[in-house]
Amino acid sequence: QVQLVQSGAEVKKPGASVKVSCKASGYTFTTYDINWVRQATGQGLEWMGWMNPNSGYIGYAQKFQGRLTITRNTSISTAYMELSSLRSDDTAVYYCARERRSSGSGWFDPWGQGTQVTVS
Amino acid sequence: SSELTQDPAVSVALGQTVRITCQGDSLRSYYASWYQQKPGQAPILVIYGKNNRPSGIPDRFSGSTSGNTASLTITGAQAEDEADYYCKSRDSSAVVFGGGTKLTVL
Repeated sequence: QVQLVQSGAEVKKPGASVKVSCKASGYTFTTYDINWVRQATGQGLEWMGWMNPNSGYIGYAQKFQGRLTITRNTSISTAYMELSSLRSDDTAVYYCARERRSSGSGWFDPWGQGTQVTVS
Repeated sequence: SSELTQDPAVSVALGQTVRITCQGDSLRSYYASWYQQKPGQAPILVIYGKNNRPSGIPDRFSGSTSGNTASLTITGAQAEDEADYYCKSRDSSAVVFGGGTKLTVL
């Protein structure tokens, strides 16, 4: 079945960087975009950015420009999200999600299980 | 940037029908998709496109759009439908989520 499996929880100090992986299986990795979304405790979903694994084209939410780097390794069907200059308010669960589209409208399915990143 | 507005909380009696709404200008151009999230779990897709359900989503879930408002309707709400629901759309090259609606089934 189609699934995304993320790396484990991380604890980082302020100012450090964190890199979260997202391994895809059950489909051809380069066919669909991968998006990254985060959620602080008790808060809503916040979109961070996306990547086309085939072309490597990326787009970042303005809020994360300069701190966020999304990459991939197509040989192992894995996408990565690296966030630098971490602050306490970056503490959140980080999700990857596959995006499918039709006539410009997209949807996220499936989602990874989430990775807790704690900055303290 | 475009925003999507949802009511923070909605309640429904067991077995009754509830509609959760999502308002935003981007919905005039793009369909919303809807996600259900239960505590401690990742979101799951429940509605996408004009009104499509992924495999495994009960047919009591349906979606519609009118103007700048998208709606998720649950016809005959069940106890297991109690969750947070988020709408999502697109604004040019960015993705935007609504703030979420907490659904309580009484």
